Amino acid sequence: NAGVMQNPRHLVRRRGQEARLRCSPMKGHSHVYWYRQLPEEGLKFMVYLQKENIIDESGMPKERFSAEFPKEGPSILRIQQVVRGDSAAYFCASSPGRSSYEQYFGPGTRLTVT
Amino acid sequence: GEDVEQSLFLSVREGDSSVINCTYTDSSSTYLYWYKQEPGAGLQLLTYIFSNMDMKQDQRLTVLLNKKDKHLSLRIADTQTGDSAIYFCAEAKAGGGNKLTFGTGTQLKVEL
Repeated sequence: NAGVMQNPRHLVRRRGQEARLRCSPMKGHSHVYWYRQLPEEGLKFMVYLQKENIIDESGMPKERFSAEFPKEGPSILRIQQVVRGDSAAYFCASSPGRSSYEQYFGPGTRLTVT
Repeated sequence: GEDVEQSLFLSVREGDSSVINCTYTDSSSTYLYWYKQEPGAGLQLLTYIFSNMDMKQDQRLTVLLNKKDKHLSLRIADTQTGDSAIYFCAEAKAGGGNKLTFGTGTQLKVEL
């Protein structure tokens, strides 16, 4: 049973470009969470999605960041017009459902903005 | 507030026990977790405890929860070099959509 998949594992973007990070949850999981880990810090919650719905986006920056989890395909975290401060590791986690308190993490995408 | 705090570093000798501590401020926390992160890797869920429990044991891992003091600890028995990693505690609260609030992480170094 494959775990949570994220791609790419490493992404380099120039300032002003767009970054698209993908997350495929574990089989049978319909809930996805995105977290950001800045250098030397713990993880911070960004957004919680169910298929076709954003449940909680209280941790998302107000501008340039968006997330989706379509009916088919992976969840996508999109960062427009990236800045150096967006450089971080972005982790996705999945869980089977709202009543489950277990979250399983992917390997992360390390974004570097030059 | 929703602060979760951990000490930054812990160094132990191989074969000794390690105890990693965590304090949290949110009394409505429902579940408390321990995750392990190896260099360049994602987070591995080690164990978690429901807030109405005091202790949970799973092989070499023992979790102790003191709800009154809002203190959580992870004890690793017979620590091995493969246990060297960063350990994060995290909390989730009822009605919070299960989003996790993480501590800053404790870097465990196991020396021979």
